[in-house]
Amino acid sequence: DSGVTQTPKHLITATGQRVTLRCSPRSGDLSVYWYQQSLDQGLQFLIQYYNGEERAKGNILERFSAQQFPDLHSELNLSSLELGDSALYFCASSVDLGQEQFFGPGTRLTVL
Amino acid sequence: AQSVTQPDIHITVSEGASLELRCNYSYGATPYLFWYVQSPGQGLQLLLKYFSGDTLVQGIKGFEAEFKRSQSSFNLRKPSVHWSDAAEYFCAVGTSSNTGKLIFGQGTTLQVKP
Repeated sequence: DSGVTQTPKHLITATGQRVTLRCSPRSGDLSVYWYQQSLDQGLQFLIQYYNGEERAKGNILERFSAQQFPDLHSELNLSSLELGDSALYFCASSVDLGQEQFFGPGTRLTVL
Repeated sequence: AQSVTQPDIHITVSEGASLELRCNYSYGATPYLFWYVQSPGQGLQLLLKYFSGDTLVQGIKGFEAEFKRSQSSFNLRKPSVHWSDAAEYFCAVGTSSNTGKLIFGQGTTLQVKP
């Protein structure tokens, strides 16, 4: 158990819908990262927050957004969902910038 | 652009045999390097990391990796593989101390024969 929690574990929804994925980092970790894992793209960095502020952006679609709250938990919002958004979404946290990241169990999103 | 290459998509070894998983990276500065393991239906678990110093790093579960700057490689090794080591292994490079975002290789699936 890495100490990073993600909810829900599984999510099944329809095209065009909007979903929210939630992540609680390890106690004391200030930085949260979101990654997408799919068969065709592999593991891709989406976005990072550090102590409530956006720090880095990767291959994140405009339909996707995220935020980190004052209690340091983070949410990833995916809207206007398409079939191709079906993937495993991981959250990771680290105590500070440039340190090792600890991954949550992931949320498996299926868009039908 | 930074990249990570794991040349072997799939490797099969016999239980008790030695293992080496290859990883090559492309990055202009000194990288931060990591190996993660993912069991089916699970998240990623950190095996070991290299930030600086001794180029041979020890990790959990009996794994080690060696950083070779001249070859831009960070290969993962284990002297004797156990059936429970069957999983997917990912090499990753951290591209900046200011962010820490990781770039992952495509992964190597390890199968262990009894």
